[in-house]
Amino acid sequence: LAKTTQPISMDSYEGQEVNITCSHNNIATNDYITWYQQFPSQGPRFIIQGYKTKVTNEVASLFIPADRKSSTLSLPRVSLSDTAVYYCLVGMMDSSYKLIFGSGTRLLVRP
Amino acid sequence: EPEVTQTPSHQVTQMGQEVILRCVPISNHLYFYWYRQILGQKVEFLVSFYNNEISEKSEIFDDQFSVERPDGSNFTLKIRSTKLEDSAMYFCASNRPDEETQYFGPGTRLLVL
Repeated sequence: LAKTTQPISMDSYEGQEVNITCSHNNIATNDYITWYQQFPSQGPRFIIQGYKTKVTNEVASLFIPADRKSSTLSLPRVSLSDTAVYYCLVGMMDSSYKLIFGSGTRLLVRP
Repeated sequence: EPEVTQTPSHQVTQMGQEVILRCVPISNHLYFYWYRQILGQKVEFLVSFYNNEISEKSEIFDDQFSVERPDGSNFTLKIRSTKLEDSAMYFCASNRPDEETQYFGPGTRLLVL
């Protein structure tokens, strides 16, 4: 059964690095892994995307091991405004191709 | 910066009624998507659309649902004979043909009474 798994919640403090992992055991061969941030009552907002190894942009890094069965979103120095739910989105192969969001990780950043 | 827009922002309807949710994707995007998010739950894929036809759909997207691109700018989701369990946020997304990054609209909150 194609599914993605993320921790339900994480707590952190301002200025710390936060790493959120998503497992996606049946990822489709040619699909990218995308991470989104969602605030309450808003649409998901793109953070970062990668296919393999490491990708870095101005807000985050994404680490993808060689087997691509998981990925880790790294937020380098979180602030209070990073409190949100974080989702991975991948295309998975099961009996057919499916786009699947992870269950979401609720990150709480404390002062 | 161009954005995906959705109308209405909120809709309340009676069970059994038909609703049409509207989306205007980013203008040079060719792939379009609808997702659903029931309150407190994760975002769920409904359907993807390309070249005027459905390219993928989930088990949720049954005969009650249909999508259409009636003109060059709008992309609609129709829900026939709404049920209580259709109450959710519905998000539209789009992406360019040369990249996989999907850009999401702000959503329509549908409440079925």
